[in-house]
Parts: sequence; structure tokens; C-alpha cells
Amino acid sequence: QSVLTQPPSASGTPGQRVTISCSGSSSNIGSNTVNWYQQLPGAAPKLLIYNNDQRPSGVPGRFSGSKSGTSASLAISGLQSEDEADYYCAGWDDRLKGWVFGGGTKLTVL
Amino acid sequence: EVQLVESGGGLVQPGRSLRLSCAASGFRFDDYAMHWVRQAPGKGLEWVSGLNWNSDSIGYADSVKGRFTISRDNAVNSLYLQMNSLRVEDMALYYCVKGFRRWLQSPNSFDSWGQGTLVAVSS
Repeated sequence: QSVLTQPPSASGTPGQRVTISCSGSSSNIGSNTVNWYQQLPGAAPKLLIYNNDQRPSGVPGRFSGSKSGTSASLAISGLQSEDEADYYCAGWDDRLKGWVFGGGTKLTVL
Repeated sequence: EVQLVESGGGLVQPGRSLRLSCAASGFRFDDYAMHWVRQAPGKGLEWVSGLNWNSDSIGYADSVKGRFTISRDNAVNSLYLQMNSLRVEDMALYYCVKGFRRWLQSPNSFDSWGQGTLVAVSS
């Protein structure tokens, strides 16, 4: 059981916009920033979004993040086949005094 | 270019110990927090442990507290994880991860990942 809750799967067709949610509590998302990671099949995870909505250099503008209260979302617009991957949200938890991840969302491009 | 190369994984019996190492290059190692994150086969990511740039702030997941010890040697740009009393549920791919900032906690992120070293625990 993960501290942060994500839907196990999501899907969309090429060109579509999809969103992935991440739900937490006042001790994590409610009081700290959220990061998102992309893990392509067989690869190590890669930082996709940090500080709720910031993109590292090299990450396409199709990826965007947002946060409201104790929830966060990752949006992918203009979906491409190479976006098929697992996506994880993460943040610091003040009560646990450690980093916590969501269970991950497997994105399928139909 | 940031490079993180893990080593030390292998097959070990339950109750035994293992020490993981991570050799870092391509950045000023003593300027950043470092972490270990693991992924069990077919499962999600789990933060294991982390420490800040000078090792005076250290954190562990509850699942490993009291059994694992993280450390770093800034003189040789290396991160370590001493794993004692290993359990079957510790079996996973262990990633060495660089923090975005010097400190352990938020605001921060994991901005570079190694390829991982596999730890298998079985009798």
C-alpha cells in the first residue's frame, strides 16, 4: 500500500491529452512539492517534473504538472507512442521523515 | 555528464549481509544529497535511504530502519549501503540516485539515476 495513490493504469490514442492523478495527505503533498518520474520499459527512472510544475531541460513541453491541496496531476498532451511508460509521483513526507512514492501508473498508447 | 555506477549486488541467503557501493562522477559529489531507491521485480519504486551532502542528516524507510546503514565518502565520490539481516522482501534492483540539492528533504528531487544493482535474497 503506497502512501501516495495513483491509478494503476491509463491510456490514450496518439495526439490525445491524458492526465494521471496522485493523491496524498497533509503530511506529504499538502505541505511539500511533488515530483514526477518516467520509467520506460527496461530503463531506470528519469525525472520528468520537479517542484510541482517545473520541467528539467530536455523534457518536452507536452509534459506538465500541477498541484492543488493534497493532490497533484501530470498531464501529457499530444500523446506519442514513445510516451508509453510507467509514471510515478513522489514527495517528502513530514510525518514519516522520508520520501514516498505513488504506486505507479502504467500508460498505454493505443 | 553525471554517471552513477552501482556494484555489490548478488545472491545472498536470508539473514546475511551485503554492502552496495555507488561510484559517482561528472558532478561535484560533495555538493548534493544522495539516495538509494529500490524496485522489486514487477513492482513500483520505494525510497530506501538518503543522506545530505555532509552526512549529518540521514533518513531511512521504516522497512529497513535498524537493518540498513547508508554512508558516503566524499573524498572518493562514493555512496554505500550496508544491508544486514536481509529478508526475502529486500530482493530488488537497487538504484543509486543523486539529489537535486544539498539537503535530504523537500524541496528536492531525484535528478539522476544509476542503472541499478540486483540483490536477490533466497535460501
